[in-house]
Amino acid sequence: DSGVTQTPKHLITATGQRVTLRCSPRSGDLSVYWYQQSLDQGLQFLIQYYNGEERAKGNILERFSAQQFPDLHSELNLSSLELGDSALYFCASSVAGGGTTDTQYFGPGTRLTVL
Amino acid sequence: GESVGLHLPTLSVQEGDNSIINCAYSNSASDYFIWYKQESGKGPQFIIDIRSNMDKRQGQRVTVLLNKTVKHLSLQIAATQPGDSAVYFCAEADDAGNMLTFGGGTRLMVKP
Repeated sequence: DSGVTQTPKHLITATGQRVTLRCSPRSGDLSVYWYQQSLDQGLQFLIQYYNGEERAKGNILERFSAQQFPDLHSELNLSSLELGDSALYFCASSVAGGGTTDTQYFGPGTRLTVL
Repeated sequence: GESVGLHLPTLSVQEGDNSIINCAYSNSASDYFIWYKQESGKGPQFIIDIRSNMDKRQGQRVTVLLNKTVKHLSLQIAATQPGDSAVYFCAEADDAGNMLTFGGGTRLMVKP
């Protein structure tokens, strides 16, 4: 157990809908990262928040957004969902704002299925 | 559990043998490299890391080798056990270490 928690574990919804995925980082970690894992794309970095502020952005669609709250938990919002958004979504956390050796620890993931 | 890619390269080894998983990375400016293990239905689990100023680092039963000349990373697992069966990913970090770029993964299967 990494100490990172994610809810829900599974989510099934329809195209065009909006969902919110939640992540609680390990105690003491200030950074939260979101990744998408699909069968054809592998693990892709989406976005990082550090202490409430956006720190780095990857291949995140405009239909997706995230935020980090004062208690450091984070939410990933996915809107206007398409079939291709079906994937595993992982959250990771690290102690600092990034940098070499700032190890990222991953949560168990949320499996999103868009029908 | 969830499948992590249907067409991953697979390494099949006998229990007790040593395993070597290879990874080629793309960015010569990458400064930090990590190996993760992902079991079915779980998130990636940190195994070992190495900085670009090193060429070898050892952990418990695992060794990571880095060859910057050919941009190659390998993970050696000694005395492989059934519990080592999983998908293994290498990841490289950018200069700030924020964004991890993951390789495609290798599935390790350990035969008892």
